Amino acid sequence: EAGVTQSPTHLIKTRGQQATLRCSPISGHTSVYWYQQALGLGLQFLLWYDEGEERNRGNFPPRFSGRQFPNYSSELNVNALELEDSALYLCASSRTGTPQIAKNIQYFGAGTRLSVL
Amino acid sequence: GESVGLHLPTLSVQEGDNSIINCAYSNSASDYFIWYKQESGKGPQFIIDIRSNMDKRQGQRVTVLLNKTVKHLSLQIAATQPGDSAVYFCAASQGFKTIFGAGTRLFVKA
Repeated sequence: EAGVTQSPTHLIKTRGQQATLRCSPISGHTSVYWYQQALGLGLQFLLWYDEGEERNRGNFPPRFSGRQFPNYSSELNVNALELEDSALYLCASSRTGTPQIAKNIQYFGAGTRLSVL
Repeated sequence: GESVGLHLPTLSVQEGDNSIINCAYSNSASDYFIWYKQESGKGPQFIIDIRSNMDKRQGQRVTVLLNKTVKHLSLQIAATQPGDSAVYFCAASQGFKTIFGAGTRLFVKA
């Protein structure tokens, strides 16, 4: 079974540009989560999508946005890039995002390293 | 606000020794806890979990201990090996809301 895949592996942009990051969840998983992992910091929650809908959003400005497609893959878009957006962006998927599930184990991809120059 | 913190940012242990990685959480309503391992160049990988109605759970060479009274979680790795070198994250969940800690980097000395 294929794991969570993310593309591209690395992305280099300049300030003010836009970045698009992509994520394909594990087959059968309907929830996709996006996290930002800056150097020396933990995982900062960005967005959660389930069944094509945005379910929750972290404390990030509106220029961080995304969507989930009918096949449950997801895109993260970052507009008007700033230097401090440089980080590893991790995508995770889980079977379902409902609170009734027994375990909300998230399975992570290897991430996209975004560098803003 | 909520937080999940780690007592030590780095931990260095001798190969073969036991490792203990600690984690504190602030939300007393957290009902599910997970430890993840992140090796260099990879995303975090699930290691072991524990629900709030338990205080100990064992896996292969790993044990998680939960003390709800002081809101503390620990991961014990027995007979630490070079392959255990990684960053370890704890995560505390309440329903579908999960908060990750900052991570502890474990160095294993040969």
